[in-house]
Amino acid sequence: NAGVTQTPKFRVLKTGQSMTLLCAQDMNHEYMYWYRQDPGMGLRLIHYSVGEGTTAKGEVPDGYNVSRLKKQNFLLGLESAAPSQTSVYFCASSYLGKVYEQYFGPGTRLTVT
Amino acid sequence: AQSVSQHNHHVILSEAASLELGCNYSYGGTVNLFWYVQYPGQHLQLLLKYFSGDPLVKGIKGFEAEFIKSKFSFNLRKPSVQWSDTAEYFCAVNARNDYKLSFGAGTTVTVRA
Repeated sequence: NAGVTQTPKFRVLKTGQSMTLLCAQDMNHEYMYWYRQDPGMGLRLIHYSVGEGTTAKGEVPDGYNVSRLKKQNFLLGLESAAPSQTSVYFCASSYLGKVYEQYFGPGTRLTVT
Repeated sequence: AQSVSQHNHHVILSEAASLELGCNYSYGGTVNLFWYVQYPGQHLQLLLKYFSGDPLVKGIKGFEAEFIKSKFSFNLRKPSVQWSDTAEYFCAVNARNDYKLSFGAGTTVTVRA
């Protein structure tokens, strides 16, 4: 049982490049989330999904897109990376009705130069 | 929407000292309250949670938190810290029937041996 895994762990992008972060969970969780963590700002919700094929915007969705084609995977896309997107990205998942008990992945450290 | 504020950005303590971290939230309705912890190099994990009932809740590793409804606060305490408590601590709020958690900015706790 791997829990929540994220790929890649580190990435450096140039401004304007695109990339996709992959989150996978093997706990059969219905809910999945993408957060970014910045110093002094805590975790801010980017997008979330309450089930396969559904996504919704969180607190800071601009510049990101997401897809949840399979229940176990939640992809976060950056179409045209900007230095302001330099951050640590965390994926999380939780059971239906237990949104508070989120299981977090190890994070992806992204630097945009 | 709910918001969460944590009073201290960085706290430095000696071992055996007592710890109290402040957390206030703003939301007019019923909420669930949580403290998450992120040890160096590890995932975020749930430390303790409050839904209803006794406002003093106990979590793992000797931590406890008290919900004071009139003050919209949920402060975290530990009577005697250890070096291994060095971590970043996040307060989080979930409005009842909402899918999302709102996190505070986090407090870094450094315990000196």
